[in-house]
Amino acid sequence: QSALTQPRSVSGSPGQSVTISCTGSSSDVGGYNYVSWYQQYPGKAPKRMIYDVTKRPSGVPDRFSGSKSGNTASLTISGLQAEDEADYYCCSYAGSNTVVFGGGTKVTVL
Amino acid sequence: QVQLQESGPGLVKPSETLSLTCAVSDYSITRGYYWGWIRQPPGKGLEWIGNIYHSGSTYYNSSLKSRVTMSVDTSKNQFSLKLSSVTAADTAVYYCARRDGYSQFDKWGQGTLVIVSS
Repeated sequence: QSALTQPRSVSGSPGQSVTISCTGSSSDVGGYNYVSWYQQYPGKAPKRMIYDVTKRPSGVPDRFSGSKSGNTASLTISGLQAEDEADYYCCSYAGSNTVVFGGGTKVTVL
Repeated sequence: QVQLQESGPGLVKPSETLSLTCAVSDYSITRGYYWGWIRQPPGKGLEWIGNIYHSGSTYYNSSLKSRVTMSVDTSKNQFSLKLSSVTAADTAVYYCARRDGYSQFDKWGQGTLVIVSS
């Protein structure tokens, strides 16, 4: 199980949109519609932001959205806010009741 | 509101076995869901270790499989992790979490730092 590939960092100004990619293979991201995204602040546990590629749990702002094309999933944050500055991780089902995480992306609000 | 709390030694010697327990409150683990362990080395990303079902069925990360054992104690509503033959590379914050569905972890413990050092 190789970690999914994410950019190390992305940045944007308040109000802008940023997109984080998560690239895997046909054995994980491309093979199932089971990708989730997590937001993590320093010293805190991750928080689920998106699940099943596009679904948003209650309480998560609608400016967070997910999508997938082929072996790459994406998380888009629209209308970037200062509080969105955090690390983000993708996670995909990889068959046989296993999952794999991405390496993480640091989002910086300029 | 389900809560998870990790506990265990914060310092383990190299070559020994790391043992952690996750106590689940306000939800019976026998009601369903998979329960998992995820770790995060300092300054690095998340790594899935494995999942366990209340029946005892286990699923492990292939890279750790030879050293990992997970178990569940339904009478205490908790599940446990053992990682043998640890090295400094196993130093990490260890999280327990509830897996809802195929890839999503909806509830997390606060995490516990385990340092491997002599």
